[in-house]
Amino acid sequence: EAGVAQSPRYKIIEKRQSVAFWCNPISGHATLYWYQQILGQGPKLLIQFQNNGVVDDSQLPKDRFSAERLKGVDSTLKIQPAKLEDSAVYLCASSLNPYSNQPQHFGDGTRLSIL
Amino acid sequence: DQQVKQNSPSLSVQEGRISILNCDYTNSMFDYFLWYKKYPAEGPTFLISISSIKDKNEDGRFTVFLNKSAKHLSLHIVPSQPGDSAVYFCAARGNSGNTPLVFGKGTRLSVIA
Repeated sequence: EAGVAQSPRYKIIEKRQSVAFWCNPISGHATLYWYQQILGQGPKLLIQFQNNGVVDDSQLPKDRFSAERLKGVDSTLKIQPAKLEDSAVYLCASSLNPYSNQPQHFGDGTRLSIL
Repeated sequence: DQQVKQNSPSLSVQEGRISILNCDYTNSMFDYFLWYKKYPAEGPTFLISISSIKDKNEDGRFTVFLNKSAKHLSLHIVPSQPGDSAVYFCAARGNSGNTPLVFGKGTRLSVIA
């Protein structure tokens, strides 16, 4: 089965610019997650979708970050305006059923550098 | 407040020997634990998991042990191979259905040939 697809792989922008990341989960996976991984840290959940609804966005900095999953399949994560501390790898993951012990499957991430 | 702690940032092991990676957690509501392996420039890959109703789960060369009273789990890799060199993340989840995964900071394992 095809894995979680993410694009772009790398992005370099200046602070105060905007950026968007795209994710296509594994086919049939209803749950989609966006994580932020800062260098030297583990992934931190930003937002979780179940189909096209938001389940948890408690750690999403909503003044600058937004995410959508309009048709319940692929998703975009946007940052506007970017700050220096947003430099990180943004990982997308999906799972079949979060209510059972099914592991999350991750994409390769987008590495964002803010100048 | 770090709920999942991997106190060893790095570990070096000789090829063929056992690798033991440790993880401690503070939240007693965690009941499902996972280990992920990450190569450079790739996303984390699921390795093995354990539910709190068990104290051991084995998959080939990989075994995870859970000590609930100590809030401690460990991943054993036997025998270690150079291809096992990666960063290993411990993650945990609560027991109230759809709760988020909480990750540790990771341990970089180097297996020396």
